[in-house]
Amino acid sequence: AQSVTQPDIHITVSEGASLELRCNYSYGATPYLFWYVQSPGQGLQLLLKYFSGDTLVQGIKGFEAEFKRSQSSFNLRKPSVHWSDAAEYFCAVDAGSNYKLTFGKGTLLTVNP
Amino acid sequence: GAVVSQHPSWVICKSGTSVKIECRSLDFQATTMFWYRQFPKQSLMLMATSNEGSKATYEQGVEKDKFLINHASLTLSTLTVTSAHPEDSSFYICSAWGLAVGDEQFFGPGTRLTVL
Repeated sequence: AQSVTQPDIHITVSEGASLELRCNYSYGATPYLFWYVQSPGQGLQLLLKYFSGDTLVQGIKGFEAEFKRSQSSFNLRKPSVHWSDAAEYFCAVDAGSNYKLTFGKGTLLTVNP
Repeated sequence: GAVVSQHPSWVICKSGTSVKIECRSLDFQATTMFWYRQFPKQSLMLMATSNEGSKATYEQGVEKDKFLINHASLTLSTLTVTSAHPEDSSFYICSAWGLAVGDEQFFGPGTRLTVL
């Protein structure tokens, strides 16, 4: 069965600093990969996804992620973090099983002014 | 993006009672809906997949008699927690997918269930 690891439970960055959230997956083939953001009172919002093709994926809100097959990773990045980015971020994979997602445990992002 | 709502957003009930949570796709037809459970500081765990007009498919370890799922229409799925106990207290989240929204599923805001 596939699994997703987000090694960082909580990350704190200063506003304007760059951000990288790590995600590693375990699966025999290349799954579909997703990053979601969860804010209090809001449903999970899709930031970006990778299915195939260009391994650098651009998403909403200035986020991007890079798929590295050799490292089984799909790390999320943002060059300059805004205070409104403070939220919980989840990496997820779909191993081709009809949209069933397996989520990582999430990374809580705190942004200091 | 498409909108999925959940009702109620939070509910408190006594042990032994049943609670129904609704998940609605507001602006698209949801062929498939998913129900997740999220514990504090934990990931979302898929509980079951429901296709409109069919019986739900439950993940391993999820009690189908305890968590009753009905997907009677293309815009509504319900999760009923029967004979709820304190250990059922959790955050329940639904998501919905339909052909019209392509390869993305849309998530509801979640329902916080507290069983006393």
